[in-house]
Amino acid sequence: AQSVTQLDSQVPVFEEAPVELRCNYSSSVSVYLFWYVQYPNQGLQLLLKYLSGSTLVKGINGFEAEFNKSQTSFHLRKPSVHISDTAEYFCAVSEARNAGNMLTFGGGTRLMVKP
Amino acid sequence: EAQVTQNPRYLITVTGKKLTVTCSQNMNHEYMSWYRQDPGLGLRQIYYSMNVEVTDKGDVPEGYKVSRKEKRNFPLILESPSPNQTSLYFCASSLYGGGTQFFGPGTRLTVL
Repeated sequence: AQSVTQLDSQVPVFEEAPVELRCNYSSSVSVYLFWYVQYPNQGLQLLLKYLSGSTLVKGINGFEAEFNKSQTSFHLRKPSVHISDTAEYFCAVSEARNAGNMLTFGGGTRLMVKP
Repeated sequence: EAQVTQNPRYLITVTGKKLTVTCSQNMNHEYMSWYRQDPGLGLRQIYYSMNVEVTDKGDVPEGYKVSRKEKRNFPLILESPSPNQTSLYFCASSLYGGGTQFFGPGTRLTVL
């Protein structure tokens, strides 16, 4: 079974500051990793995903994440946040060997960007 | 416009009264899934379907049923809803498992 832990439930940050949202996972097999964003009263949108290849993945809206297999982490970063980045962010994992298998989400991190 | 639609968007019902939440996608996706979102727990997968007539349990299937008779539709059925099924429900689809999932707008269900 796989699991995902998002270490911070809330991250307050000032506008134009850098931010890192942390995600750790556990799985006994190779995984696919995802970050989704949920704006207030909306569904989820994919920010970025890691399936294979380069461990540094770039996504939409200036976000990037780095897959670290030895630390089983997939932290999300942005060098300079905007007010519009205020949202809830979810890290998710699925087993690569069984594409179509369960997608397991972390508990979410609420990013609050202050002016 | 490519999208996933859910109906109804909001529903208040009483314990034991059977209900169905519909989900439809117009992208010819093979993979569809249902999630529930609860504060502090993130999204938990209820059921997923890899293709027509192929469904499987996710993390929290108890109290739910699904069917996949057509590729585009994946209804979620609560035969006898209980208050602990009060939640925000999302349907999602992707071209294949492991692919980018497109989410519907959500259905907020309250069971009294």
